[in-house]
Amino acid sequence: RKEVEQDPGPFNVPEGATVAFNCTYSNSASQSFFWYRQDCRKEPKLLMSVYSSGNEDGRFTAQLNRASQYISLLIRDSKLSDSATYLCVVNQVKYSGGGADGLTFGKGTHLIIQP
Amino acid sequence: ETGVTQTPRHLVMGMTNKKSLKCEQHLGHNAMYWYKQSAKKPLELMFVYSLEERVENNSVPSRFSPECPNSSHLFLHLHTLQPEDSALYLCASRRDRGRPEQFFGPGTRLTVL
Repeated sequence: RKEVEQDPGPFNVPEGATVAFNCTYSNSASQSFFWYRQDCRKEPKLLMSVYSSGNEDGRFTAQLNRASQYISLLIRDSKLSDSATYLCVVNQVKYSGGGADGLTFGKGTHLIIQP
Repeated sequence: ETGVTQTPRHLVMGMTNKKSLKCEQHLGHNAMYWYKQSAKKPLELMFVYSLEERVENNSVPSRFSPECPNSSHLFLHLHTLQPEDSALYLCASRRDRGRPEQFFGPGTRLTVL
């Protein structure tokens, strides 16, 4: 089973619509969760962290369900500039004292916003 | 954003060449990472450095050799690579304590002929 699984898409969505992605993770010891955005041939950029209580940043809302081990991202009023690949990312603390552990990435969900 | 820089941005090398990738972070972080991103695969963690000590080597072949001379600089030395090593190599950094978010450099796109 893959550690972090996402629907690769592509999701073709008209401008102004609402779109949601889900992601599942296999390791119940995962402690931190993120959504990154990656544009074509560019580096991943942090979109938002995902907190247990759910959190919102403008048009973006992230939710975490630890019991079911899934994370979601909702984008409202989508813009053309939202077209990108959205990476679901989890982090496990492996070293005592919260040391420098790496991130585990999903393959990403490709979103295309159409005018 | 220029918090994490990488050079070169593009590199083409033959299988017998030796080259090095460089990463520099200006964020005051003290943990640095190398990741590899191949086509149609998720990013794969290669190496982790915390406070200039290598704390993880994620089963990477010895033809990749990292070096971290100080908390701001990270190198990846390349020697006798294979064509399947062609990929985007990304450097990232974060504070060793506190918030776990990592910030990435623009990457080096490597082609091995």
